[in-house]
Amino acid sequence: DSGVTQTPKHLITATGQRVTLRCSPRSGDLSVYWYQQSLDQGLQFLIQYYNGEERAKGNILERFSAQQFPDLHSELNLSSLELGDSALYFCASSPRTGFNEKLFFGSGTQLSVL
Amino acid sequence: AQTVTQSQPEMSVQEAETVTLSCTYDTSENNYYLFWYKQPPSRQMILVIRQEAYKQQNATENRFSVNFQKAAKSFSLKISDSQLGDTAMYFCAFMKQGNAGNMLTFGGGTRLMVKP
Repeated sequence: DSGVTQTPKHLITATGQRVTLRCSPRSGDLSVYWYQQSLDQGLQFLIQYYNGEERAKGNILERFSAQQFPDLHSELNLSSLELGDSALYFCASSPRTGFNEKLFFGSGTQLSVL
Repeated sequence: AQTVTQSQPEMSVQEAETVTLSCTYDTSENNYYLFWYKQPPSRQMILVIRQEAYKQQNATENRFSVNFQKAAKSFSLKISDSQLGDTAMYFCAFMKQGNAGNMLTFGGGTRLMVKP
């Protein structure tokens, strides 16, 4: 168990809908990362937050947004969902944002858009 | 931009044997980290081993070791005494030093099956 908690584990929804994925980092970790794993795109970095502030942005669509709250949990909001958004969404955390950080991953949220 | 390539989509090995998974990467950076992550059927991403680019000595973690060739931009993973629990997808990943966060760039993965 990595100590990173993601909810829900599975999510089934329809095209056009909006969903929120939640992540609780390991105790004491200030950085949270979101990754998307899909069959055609592989594992892609979406976004990183550090202590409530956006730190780095990757291949995140404009329809997607994220935030990190004062208690350090993070939410990833996906709107106007399309079939191609079906994927496994991982959250990871690390203590800080230094170069030598080890990332610890949660078990992921499997999103199915029908 | 960095790219990571794993040229072996699938591999198999007999239990107790040794297997080597390949990874090459392309970067203009001089200082960076390389990782191997394991993703078993449970889907969890588990860090197997990490290598700092400025260290010449290859990293080892119990049965797992790497062969890091910086000039060739090669980073292979050797699993010794393979166990059934090693069956998983293995991803090679790259992280560069910088002020822009800690994003990992992943390869496409190698599916490893350990046969009894």
